[in-house]
Amino acid sequence: DTEVTQTPKHLVMGMTNKKSLKCEQHMGHRAMYWYKQKAKKPPELMFVYSYEKLSINESVPSRFSPECPNSSLLNLHLHALQPEDSALYLCASSQESRGQSGYTFGSGTRLTVV
Amino acid sequence: TQLLEQSPQFLSIQEGENLTVYCNSSSVFSSLQWYRQEPGEGPVLLVTVVTGGEVKKLKRLTFQFGDARKDSSLHITAAQPGDTGLYLCAGPYTGGFKTIFGAGTRLFVKA
Repeated sequence: DTEVTQTPKHLVMGMTNKKSLKCEQHMGHRAMYWYKQKAKKPPELMFVYSYEKLSINESVPSRFSPECPNSSLLNLHLHALQPEDSALYLCASSQESRGQSGYTFGSGTRLTVV
Repeated sequence: TQLLEQSPQFLSIQEGENLTVYCNSSSVFSSLQWYRQEPGEGPVLLVTVVTGGEVKKLKRLTFQFGDARKDSSLHITAAQPGDTGLYLCAGPYTGGFKTIFGAGTRLFVKA
């Protein structure tokens, strides 16, 4: 299995809702990432998990809460989001923590906050 | 600050034409990756280059890493509509776990 699977593919949520994005990989990769991508822009790093521990939080607002239940799963819990948080949220994994050999990205979750 | 600058930002060409996309930095990178991203999908890793001067081929795509490991290029021969997409170069940040992404080159190949 050489894929990163993200669910759901599309999500529309109100500003008072709580929702979660899910990501799964079975490649034995030890690092997993959440990225946010706005239209016509490159991906922006949000969080890095290395060996199931949070290594980097790129000053992301607390309305985004990551969780790594085990080495194959990564969640992103969303609460009280703003319309400007609408974007494509990408999960990625890599064999090693520094991403030297590149990432495997999921297809993303297209999030719309209304 | 490590930056990756890509050029051109946008390229629209006819099917069958050749093209080159550039990724430049003033910093040395231990490796560089190239990704292609289609609308609404995640980026797909095309290649990783590690050694200065390295050339890698992937069918009609040729990737080169500069001798000083500060720049890279992607050459596409006889472009096809299926090559349409956003091409991103990226490299590991020397200070930690991050990856630096270029702003991307948006390629459109007309049939």
